[in-house]
Amino acid sequence: EDQVTQSPEALRLQEGESSSLNCSYTVSGLRGLFWYRQDPGKGPEFLFTLYSAGEEKEKERLKATLTKKESFLHITAPKPEDSATDLCAFNSGGYQKVTFGTGTKLQVIP
Amino acid sequence: DVKVTQSSRYLVKRTGEKVFLECVQDMDHENMFWYRQDPGLGLRLIYFSYDVKMKEKGDIPEGYSVSREKKERFSLILESASTNQTSMYLCASSLRDRGWQNIQYFGAGTRLSVL
Repeated sequence: EDQVTQSPEALRLQEGESSSLNCSYTVSGLRGLFWYRQDPGKGPEFLFTLYSAGEEKEKERLKATLTKKESFLHITAPKPEDSATDLCAFNSGGYQKVTFGTGTKLQVIP
Repeated sequence: DVKVTQSSRYLVKRTGEKVFLECVQDMDHENMFWYRQDPGLGLRLIYFSYDVKMKEKGDIPEGYSVSREKKERFSLILESASTNQTSMYLCASSLRDRGWQNIQYFGAGTRLSVL
């Protein structure tokens, strides 16, 4: 069965303390690996799509990478406004739907 | 910017009531989705629709139905609400089959409490 597993479930960082979140996947026929960020009280918002192993994408303090088995979301010098839940998801096969992981709840302390 | 609007942010209903959750998108997207989000379980797909009057069951359709009479509107119906349907409900939309470009855009969510 296709699935993604995110770790850790929760992460508490000091402002400026860089770290990485992990998304391990077992998906046959991966068509895209997505990262979304969900601020408290809001719906998820798209960050990145990765398709092939070795691909990297960057946006401000965030960088996403992809290997054949996992994806990382690297957070450089986080700020308190980065406190959110980061979600990994995948799209496979010929369907329109996306399957989400359970997320990593990130808290950045000033 | 894509906008997905859910009709209510908070809703409190009684067990056995019929509940309608409404979602409207303004970007002419073919696909629309309903998810529920629960702590420790993440987002789980209830139903999705890839065209007007078309629908497909997701991973947890039991106890729910949907309606899509117009392209921009997708409704989730709880025929007889139960306490285990207390949850955050999220609506999303996307363009049809862009493969790895199939980005979903979400509404702000409806937090439903069934008492």
